[in-house]
Amino acid sequence: QSVLTQPPSVSGAPGQRVNISCTGSSSNIGAGYDVHWYQQLPGTAPKLLMYGNSNRPSGVPDRFSGSKSGTSASLAITGLQAEDEADYYCQSYDSSLSGVVFGGGTKLTVL
Amino acid sequence: EVQLLESGGGLVQPGGSLRLSCAASGFTFSNYAMSWVRQAPGEGLEWVSSISGSSTSTYYADSVKGRFTISRDNSKNTLNLQLNSLSVEDTAVYYCAKVGEYCSSTSCTHYYYYYMDVWGKGTAVTFSS
Repeated sequence: QSVLTQPPSVSGAPGQRVNISCTGSSSNIGAGYDVHWYQQLPGTAPKLLMYGNSNRPSGVPDRFSGSKSGTSASLAITGLQAEDEADYYCQSYDSSLSGVVFGGGTKLTVL
Repeated sequence: EVQLLESGGGLVQPGGSLRLSCAASGFTFSNYAMSWVRQAPGEGLEWVSSISGSSTSTYYADSVKGRFTISRDNSKNTLNLQLNSLSVEDTAVYYCAKVGEYCSSTSCTHYYYYYMDVWGKGTAVTFSS
């Protein structure tokens, strides 16, 4: 059971928008710790997709956006493309565990 | 180009030991905290351990505390992870990752738990029957 909760899967048709939620608690996201997002394409290492809740690293398309509110964060992907099919993970820090925590991951399927 | 390259994975027996290494290039290694993250087959990401740039501070997940030891050699731009008392639950691909810095409008700070902006390709630890 992950400290950060993500839906196991989401799907959408090409061109559509999907949201991936990441729900935490008062000892992590709710305590003000930033949320970061990673994209893992099949058979590859994770890649940083979003940092500090809503900042995109260089090279990440602006179709990806992030937000945080209360004890939750969300990753939005607009204009879905086939190449977006991957696993997505959120990450933060938990003060009760004194460690880095990841969400369980969400598999995005582009229909 | 910023790169991380892990090595040292392989087959091990329960109770055995292994030493993983990660060679870094393309950035000032000593300026950044580094982390190890693992991924069991078909599972999600699990943080394992982190170390500050100067090796002053080390951090471990409860699942590996007392069994794994993280270290770094800044003169060789190398990150290490010593794995002892291994069990089948430690089967995973182990990734090393560079930890990014938190920057406000006036300064930047290195928190070991911040985002991981560069990842290696990983090295696999598996168990022989």
